[in-house]
Amino acid sequence: AQSVTQLDSQVPVFEEAPVELRCNYSSSVSVYLFWYVQYPNQGLQLLLKYLSGSTLVKGINGFEAEFNKSQTSFHLRKPSVHISDTAEYFCAVSGVGETSGSRLTFGEGTQLTVNP
Amino acid sequence: EAGVAQSPRYKIIEKRQSVAFWCNPISGHATLYWYQQILGQGPKLLIQFQNNGVVDDSQLPKDRFSAERLKGVDSTLKIQPAKLEDSAVYLCASSQQGGLGNTIYFGEGSWLTVV
Repeated sequence: AQSVTQLDSQVPVFEEAPVELRCNYSSSVSVYLFWYVQYPNQGLQLLLKYLSGSTLVKGINGFEAEFNKSQTSFHLRKPSVHISDTAEYFCAVSGVGETSGSRLTFGEGTQLTVNP
Repeated sequence: EAGVAQSPRYKIIEKRQSVAFWCNPISGHATLYWYQQILGQGPKLLIQFQNNGVVDDSQLPKDRFSAERLKGVDSTLKIQPAKLEDSAVYLCASSQQGGLGNTIYFGEGSWLTVV
């Protein structure tokens, strides 16, 4: 079984500032890692995912994340945020080779608020 | 490409009543999921279908929740009788197949309020 901990429930930042949303995971097997974004009253949209290969993953809207196996982390970063990035961000994990397929386990979410 | 469609978007019912949510996945996607998202929490998997068979329903409260996927395409999630704690967003999602990190696409959700 896997678990995900998002270390900050709320992150307020000013427009054009850099931001990092922290995610740690726990798993007894190798994992795939994901970041999803949820805008108000909408479903979840995939930002990026790590399956294998390069530990630095680039996603949509200028976001990137780095997989750190030794620290069991998958932090999300953006060098300069915009007002439109205000949303809830979810880190999720899936176990590789699980018989239950690609079941995702989500963290509790981080609310990113970008202020002018 | 059309996304995952869900209906109704919003529903308010009294406790002990029943409710049903419908989902149409992306065309050609064999795997369909129902997630429950309580306010302030991350989504939690309720049930996963591969075609019309259940792969994982370990977190589905089977005394009140049921789900089916007729003919391996559309799916319906039913709650009967509803409790106050069932107030949540019910997210349907689909992927081309289970496993191997396939991207899961989510619908906009069905918002349930039980009063």
